[in-house]
Amino acid sequence: GENVEQHPSTLSVQEGDSAVIKCTYSDSASNYFPWYKQELGKGPQLIIDIRSNVGEKKDQRIAVTLNKTAKHFSLHITETQPEDSAVYFCAASTSNDYKLSFGAGTTVTVRA
Amino acid sequence: ETGVTQSPTHLIKTRGQQVTLRCSSQSGHNTVSWYQQALGQGPQFIFQYYREEENGRGNFPPRFSGLQFPNYSSELNVNALELDDSALYLCASSLAGQISSGSGNTIYFGEGSWLTVV
Repeated sequence: GENVEQHPSTLSVQEGDSAVIKCTYSDSASNYFPWYKQELGKGPQLIIDIRSNVGEKKDQRIAVTLNKTAKHFSLHITETQPEDSAVYFCAASTSNDYKLSFGAGTTVTVRA
Repeated sequence: ETGVTQSPTHLIKTRGQQVTLRCSSQSGHNTVSWYQQALGQGPQFIFQYYREEENGRGNFPPRFSGLQFPNYSSELNVNALELDDSALYLCASSLAGQISSGSGNTIYFGEGSWLTVV
């Protein structure tokens, strides 16, 4: 099955700086890569996703890049704000299997 | 707000008991999946229901079972509870067939049900 690895496990950044989280996946058939933000005591919230026919996608301060050859994808958050502090999860799935395989998560702390 | 609602939000059960968790999917979504999230870990896929039938299962024993109803809502049942079953149980809904339309299998999660087994 799919194995998703996520790094780093914790990330502390100064407010206004950028944060980058990287994930690798093992199944070359995976073609859908969402990112979720989870705040304490809440369920995962979809913040951005990317499909295999696209190399990069941006939504305001958040961007995701995908390298299918290397089987890795990354989340970039620019101009970080205190409300960006949360646990971020990457995930992967295939067209034929709606199951999401998640990374272990990255705890992001934005220092004011 | 994802439109996925779960109940109850918190519950405490004794080892050996049974529990039923409920989920209402987002309007228009016909597929429901259940995930288990232990403290400090990523969610783990339990199973998925589509058209009232199980459509894929993760590495969970048969004492984890589910149902999907004609209105696409769903239940997760866990029998013979063990201490390790203590976790956040997440329901996720999606619309099967989105892939062909190019929309992808966008999956939305509810806020979860916190289960503590003592």
